[in-house]
Amino acid sequence: EDQVTQSPEALRLQEGESSSLNCSYTVSGLRGLFWYRQDPGKGPEFLFTLYSAGEEKEKERLKATLTKKESFLHITAPKPEDSATYLCAVYGGSQGNLIFGKGTKLSVKP
Amino acid sequence: DAGVIQSPRHEVTEMGQEVTLRCKPISGHNSLFWYRQTMMRGLELLIYFNNNVPIDDSGMPEDRFSAKMPNASFSTLKIQPSEPRDSAVYFCASSFLKYQETQYFGPGTRLLVL
Repeated sequence: EDQVTQSPEALRLQEGESSSLNCSYTVSGLRGLFWYRQDPGKGPEFLFTLYSAGEEKEKERLKATLTKKESFLHITAPKPEDSATYLCAVYGGSQGNLIFGKGTKLSVKP
Repeated sequence: DAGVIQSPRHEVTEMGQEVTLRCKPISGHNSLFWYRQTMMRGLELLIYFNNNVPIDDSGMPEDRFSAKMPNASFSTLKIQPSEPRDSAVYFCASSFLKYQETQYFGPGTRLLVL
């Protein structure tokens, strides 16, 4: 069964304390892995797309990496405005639809 | 571009009533998706349209749910009759193509069925 698992479910950091979020997946024929950010009361906002193992993308304090089984979202020196739920999704599998993980809720305290 | 537009933003209704959610995708996008988000199940795909044609409705929970896309700039998701377990946030998303293309999400409709 195609599956996306994110860990941890929740993460609390102090401002400036770097960490990583994990997204592990089991899907046949991965066509792409996406990271989204979701703020309370809003729709998911696109961050990155990764297509092949070894690929990396960066945006401000965020860096996404991809291996054959998982992806990491590294957050360097986070700020309170980085607080949000981060969603991972993969394209592939038997249906070829976008399959979402349940997200990691990140809280950054000043 | 204004992005994906959804209405209403909030809907409170009583069990048994008909509910219609509306979506205007980003101009030029060929694919439109309806999702439902709950705490328990996360984001789930309900139905996917390509060029206004429903391609995959395997995620539609049951016959009480129906979706239409009469033209490239408008889609509706209807629930009739509504039940308390339908309470969730419903998102519409659009993309230029389906595979390997970024989906852009609307702000969602928060539905509460009493």
